[in-house]
Amino acid sequence: EDQVTQSPEALRLQEGESSSLNCSYTVSGLRGLFWYRQDPGKGPEFLFTLYSAGEEKEKERLKATLTKKESFLHITAPKPEDSATYLCAVQPANRDDKIIFGKGTRLHILP
Amino acid sequence: DSGVTQTPKHLITATGQRVTLRCSPRSGDLSVYWYQQSLDQGLQFLIQYYNGEERAKGNILERFSAQQFPDLHSELNLSSLELGDSALYFCASSWTGSDGDTQYFGPGTRLTVL
Repeated sequence: EDQVTQSPEALRLQEGESSSLNCSYTVSGLRGLFWYRQDPGKGPEFLFTLYSAGEEKEKERLKATLTKKESFLHITAPKPEDSATYLCAVQPANRDDKIIFGKGTRLHILP
Repeated sequence: DSGVTQTPKHLITATGQRVTLRCSPRSGDLSVYWYQQSLDQGLQFLIQYYNGEERAKGNILERFSAQQFPDLHSELNLSSLELGDSALYFCASSWTGSDGDTQYFGPGTRLTVL
């Protein structure tokens, strides 16, 4: 069964304390892996799309990487405004019909 | 701002009632997706339309239905509402709807069923 698991469920960091969020997936072939940021009560905001193992993408303090079994979202020197829930989603290669979302990591950056 | 609009922002109704949620995709996007997000379930895919045609169904209840109109806006109809239908409903759009195409989400409609 296609599955996406994110860890940790929640993470509290001091401002400037770098860390990584994990997204592990089991799908029969990967068409794409997506990272989104979601603030409370708002729609997910697109961050990155990764298509193949070894691919990396960066945006400001965020960097996403992809292997054959997992993706990491590295956050470098975070600021309080980076506090949000970060969602990972995968689109299986054999399924045109849907993207499977993980339950997210709630990130809280303390000033 | 993703460019996807949803109305209304909030909806409060009673059990047994029927409601309609509306979504306008980003300019140029042909595909529309509907998701339900509740506190304990995370984002659940409901249904996808591409250029007016239903393309895929996810975990959508029989009491729910959707359509996409010629101008590409979409409506999600929820009927015989139950308390458990209270959730955030998101619409997303993408250009082609395939090959790992990125979906852009609207701000959501918060549905409360009393």
